[in-house]
Amino acid sequence: DGGITQSPKYLFRKEGQNVTLSCEQNLNHDAMYWYRQDPGQGLRLIYYSQIVNDFQKGDIAEGYSVSREKKESFPLTVTSAQKNPTAFYLCASSIDRTAENSPLHFGNGTRLTVT
Amino acid sequence: SQQGEEDPQALSIQEGENATMNCSYKTSINNLQWYRQNSGRGLVHLILIRSNEREKHSGRLRVTLDTSKKSSSLLITASRAADTASYFCATGLNTGTASKLTFGTGTRLQVTL
Repeated sequence: DGGITQSPKYLFRKEGQNVTLSCEQNLNHDAMYWYRQDPGQGLRLIYYSQIVNDFQKGDIAEGYSVSREKKESFPLTVTSAQKNPTAFYLCASSIDRTAENSPLHFGNGTRLTVT
Repeated sequence: SQQGEEDPQALSIQEGENATMNCSYKTSINNLQWYRQNSGRGLVHLILIRSNEREKHSGRLRVTLDTSKKSSSLLITASRAADTASYFCATGLNTGTASKLTFGTGTRLQVTL
């Protein structure tokens, strides 16, 4: 079955450490996205990529970095510069490079806890 | 700030009843989408309604869009316990090239037996 795989499901890190969240899709979608979800705040866009080797900052990119070396993969690194990294992270993809014109397909998320 | 805001924040109904959730947004849009999220899971796309559409159906779901009021509603008819989830509306800016959706804070729906 086609879909988006995020791993791991739960991730624990010590403050000051960088951590990379994995996102892989086999839907052959051009565009991929990272969202952060905090309780009561809905989803906020961190980074998005419309094509391989290109990506743009979303609304809350500070303290995060991404790469898009392959169409299928869009890993997110949470750096030590991110002041409040504990959150639920969701990766998504869309067949259309313009997100508003097509449904987003989401992975099941990674819950990151930093202590 | 969030482009879409859902109302109510939480809704509790009994199985068999209808559930209505509303979404208001601030700027012109091309499309509006509704998503469902079960606890601890990713979001699942429900319906996309275009700005030139007023109503759209999918099974027990009915979505309306009023661009003059910048609002949309999601109606779930004959609700089931399995409909218990959070529901989000999502909008994109009307630039034609916008590649990001903005999500509201969601409505938490609880359907009891």
